Amino acid sequence: QQQVKQSPQSLIVQKGGISIINCAYENTAFDYFPWYQQFPGKGPALLIAIRPDVSEKKEGRFTISFNKSAKQFSLHIMDSQPGDSATYFCAARVLMDSNYQLIWGAGTKLIIKP
Amino acid sequence: KAGVTQTPRYLIKTRGQQVTLSCSPISGHRSVSWYQQTPGQGLQFLFEYFSETQRNKGNFPGRFSGRQFSNSRSEMNVSTLELGDSALYLCASSSDRITYEQYFGPGTRLTVT
Repeated sequence: QQQVKQSPQSLIVQKGGISIINCAYENTAFDYFPWYQQFPGKGPALLIAIRPDVSEKKEGRFTISFNKSAKQFSLHIMDSQPGDSATYFCAARVLMDSNYQLIWGAGTKLIIKP
Repeated sequence: KAGVTQTPRYLIKTRGQQVTLSCSPISGHRSVSWYQQTPGQGLQFLFEYFSETQRNKGNFPGRFSGRQFSNSRSEMNVSTLELGDSALYLCASSSDRITYEQYFGPGTRLTVT
């Protein structure tokens, strides 16, 4: 129940296209859903985050869509660029034993073809 | 603000040896988390330290241990290294207020031969 299932494992998108990465969860106690972006040789960096009472959040070309009833959330990258090629992780925050913990998805390797 | 720093960046050890990795968090951050990253395994949570106390722990054997000092710097130790311990070890720090935002260091690439 503490899992976050991320798909697909890898994704190839043409430049200018829309990249979509999906995550699903079971635990309704999750209270924050961040997305992280990791470039080769670097640690992950926070990209965008959403609360479960918001259905959509947009920052530039990046949008999180959140479906509370389906327990799913997704990252959309509009007008995908070669510079967006990276590994993307979704995560969910949960309060466990009075401490917050992040539960991570398995990651999606995104390649944008020029 | 200086970012999270990790030393060393690369390390080669022999099976059976032990290793200590170091992490300096962003100034003012009291929480430090450690992760193991291997190809195809994503980010595996090792443990989190807050104000010198281990606050959360993942499902790793006791060979993996850590500590945090009063200045929030943290060390991670792996004893009796196994070939499967070869991985990128990432350290992340976060503030007390925004706990879902973790700032990661560049990682230490450990190779066990």
